Amino acid sequence: KQEVTQIPAALSVPEGENLVLNCSFTDSAIYNLQWFRQDPGKGLTSLLLIQSSQREQTSGRLNASLDKSSGRSTLYIAASQPGDSATYLCAVAGNNRLAFGKGNQVVVIP
Amino acid sequence: DTGVSQNPRHKITKRGQNVTFRCDPISEHNRLYWYRQTLGQGPEFLTYFQNEAQLEKSRLLSDRFSAERPKGSFSTLEIQRTEQGDSAMYLCASTFVQGNGELFFGEGSRLTVL
Repeated sequence: KQEVTQIPAALSVPEGENLVLNCSFTDSAIYNLQWFRQDPGKGLTSLLLIQSSQREQTSGRLNASLDKSSGRSTLYIAASQPGDSATYLCAVAGNNRLAFGKGNQVVVIP
Repeated sequence: DTGVSQNPRHKITKRGQNVTFRCDPISEHNRLYWYRQTLGQGPEFLTYFQNEAQLEKSRLLSDRFSAERPKGSFSTLEIQRTEQGDSAMYLCASTFVQGNGELFFGEGSRLTVL
């Protein structure tokens, strides 16, 4: 069974600092890895999708890396803004479903 | 394209009542998932459909839960004889299986069982 761990569970950073969110998974036989954002009481918004053959993916201030052999992914958010405050979820695709971590709860302090 | 739509967004019910949630996926998406999320946890897989066929169900899906996807379009998730432990956010997601595998989620249906 795929186990996904996200560290740290929660963090606060001052506005303008770069955010680094870590995700690890136990089974390297993955199809892809997806990062999501979730605001309180809301659904999940897809941020980045990395295919298993890719090493990284970028969208604006967001960059996600994937090291399949070591079972790790990192989400970088450059120059954080208060609007980036949310929970970020890492999800690993395999066996026709996504396995999720518990999320990184982020607060960006103005 | 309006994205994945779920309703109702919120449902409060008394223990023992039946509830039904509906999900309308993105058009042309042939795969549809149901997940359940409790406070502070990541979403947990419940079941998925490929077109109208339900291909897999999690052990989390007790016999009080039933899901359908008639004609491969919208899907319903019914919970019979609700229990307080069923209180959670029920999330629906869809994807085009022949595409890049990106999953798109709806806003969720929050269930509170009193």
